[in-house]
Amino acid sequence: DGGITQSPKYLFRKEGQNVTLSCEQNLNHDAMYWYRQDPGQGLRLIYYSQIVNDFQKGDIAEGYSVSREKKESFPLTVTSAQKNPTAFYLCASTQLAGAPQETQYFGPGTRLLVL
Amino acid sequence: AQSVAQPEDQVNVAEGNPLTVKCTYSVSGNPYLFWYVQYPNRGLQFLLKYITGDNLVKGSYGFEAEFNKSQTSFHLKKPSALVSDSALYFCAVRDEGRGYSTLTFGKGTMLLVSP
Repeated sequence: DGGITQSPKYLFRKEGQNVTLSCEQNLNHDAMYWYRQDPGQGLRLIYYSQIVNDFQKGDIAEGYSVSREKKESFPLTVTSAQKNPTAFYLCASTQLAGAPQETQYFGPGTRLLVL
Repeated sequence: AQSVAQPEDQVNVAEGNPLTVKCTYSVSGNPYLFWYVQYPNRGLQFLLKYITGDNLVKGSYGFEAEFNKSQTSFHLKKPSALVSDSALYFCAVRDEGRGYSTLTFGKGTMLLVSP
């Protein structure tokens, strides 16, 4: 069963705590993306990676970090520097990097809540 | 810079009636346009895309979209709405001239189909 998995489905963060959101894909896609969704604001790009061991900042990277050590995995860490982390986080991937016609496919999302 | 606008926060339609969800875009090069649907607490599902060719694009679940270059629009349509079509719809654009494959999303339009 191919697809994109995100875990956990719900995540609770305490003040000053770093938390890591998992994103795994078995589609053999080259590029992976992280978005943040807030009500009424659409999706905003946090980070993206077109190849293993390389990634670029998106529009709202401050307070977040990523790694891409394996093609199939692109974890996102929400650091304590992110003062308003409560949001729905979506991971996506495309088969080819840098190809504008490529469709992005999305995982089911992780909802992060602050205690 | 690429951008996309969805002028309506919410569209209400009765079941069986035709529906239209509006989207306009701005790009510097050739546009690549996408429509996605999101059900509550779920990831985005791909509906259809315009790359080149016919201005009328057919997609999943009976949806179609009409590309209009002169009006820079890509409106989503369906001849007969179903209650199960009620969801949040996102239009997205990728600019061929940007050199990489990131998408810019609109803020979303909530479609409510009444029985």
